[in-house]
Amino acid sequence: EPEVTQTPSHQVTQMGQEVILRCVPISNHLYFYWYRQILGQKVEFLVSFYNNEISEKSEIFDDQFSVERPDGSNFTLKIRSTKLEDSAMYFCASSEDQGYTGELFFGEGSRLTVL
Amino acid sequence: GESVGLHLPTLSVQEGDNSIINCAYSNSASDYFIWYKQESGKGPQFIIDIRSNMDKRQGQRVTVLLNKTVKHLSLQIAATQPGDSAVYFCADQAAGNKLTFGGGTRVLVKP
Repeated sequence: EPEVTQTPSHQVTQMGQEVILRCVPISNHLYFYWYRQILGQKVEFLVSFYNNEISEKSEIFDDQFSVERPDGSNFTLKIRSTKLEDSAMYFCASSEDQGYTGELFFGEGSRLTVL
Repeated sequence: GESVGLHLPTLSVQEGDNSIINCAYSNSASDYFIWYKQESGKGPQFIIDIRSNMDKRQGQRVTVLLNKTVKHLSLQIAATQPGDSAVYFCADQAAGNKLTFGGGTRVLVKP
């Protein structure tokens, strides 16, 4: 069964360092997303991406964050200068379509720990 | 502000019994809701969805009920099994597939 894969599964970094989280969406999907989940809290929307541009972003997704689809298979989330409060599980998701037929498939997440 | 939230943080249920998880939402314009299951160390997994033009939808061992009058939905799991132990989230899917998740309910199935 096709799945969304994410790397790394866990990354530990020092505050102020740049981090890139990588995702390989399901191959025929066109819509891509990043969500995050701070430990013990609910999953929060960060950004959606379609046709090589951001469709929507939340207030969390400030100038420290960026997304990119560098090639035909990867979708990355970059945090330019990490803060302690960026520590969370980051989930990538993809969907084939939008709306009622646009089921999101989530990866298993990348845990980011900022020290 | 808009929110989708849950009533019970933890639900313990005996194996074989039915489980009911509740969720309230505040945005009366919401028209599409999804229940997700999140097992430990994994991402959210789609369980069942319901559109606002429906009151009830059934899947395999799961039923979602939507009461638009009181802005409430519930997930019923029949004959709960150990594999059902997880955190369950309701979510409101808005335009652009943006999901607004509730706070989650942990279901613990006792053998």
